[in-house]
Amino acid sequence: ETGVTQSPTHLIKTRGQQVTLRCSSQSGHNTVSWYQQALGQGPQFIFQYYREEENGRGNFPPRFSGLQFPNYSSELNVNALELDDSALYLCASSWSSLAYEQYFGPGTRLTVT
Amino acid sequence: GENVEQHPSTLSVQEGDSAVIKCTYSDSASNYFPWYKQELGKRPQLIIDIRSNVGEKKDQRIAVTLNKTAKHFSLHITETQPEDSAVYFCAATGNQFYFGTGTSLTVIP
Repeated sequence: ETGVTQSPTHLIKTRGQQVTLRCSSQSGHNTVSWYQQALGQGPQFIFQYYREEENGRGNFPPRFSGLQFPNYSSELNVNALELDDSALYLCASSWSSLAYEQYFGPGTRLTVT
Repeated sequence: GENVEQHPSTLSVQEGDSAVIKCTYSDSASNYFPWYKQELGKRPQLIIDIRSNVGEKKDQRIAVTLNKTAKHFSLHITETQPEDSAVYFCAATGNQFYFGTGTSLTVIP
């Protein structure tokens, strides 16, 4: 059984650019959730994907979008990057949208300059 | 939506002492309450969780208590060790996770 993986580890982008972050869920898990963690803060829920459909969204603007693929891996896309988007982006997987145990990946550190 | 408050924000204890971290939540529909430990530069790791139909759960030196009426839950770590030093996050969830702001625990050898 493999754990949750994310790529890339670190990323530096310029304000106004677009970025795509990737997440591979843990073996057997069909649900992926994305979180933004600012320095010194708790993770903030962005959205969740269950069987390739968005299954809940937090208080983030539409320029944050996502996808889930048939193998349950997922992408987070952020358009028109702003300085405040600089954060650690975490994905977490679980075996069902109704199950609650979530297991986190190592995160992608995004810096917007 | 849900609002999760966590206290204290920092906590220092002597090795061997106990540590208690408290969280309150606002949404009575929340029914699952996990605790995560996050070491510097690492991913959050689930250390213990409790569901709304249980009042207390223990796993070796770690325990969690839940008071549904008062809408608060607590993490208890006994016989603390230096490797317990980390940031601890509580969360409350119904259809999505709401995390607290974290408690930085330092265990002094």
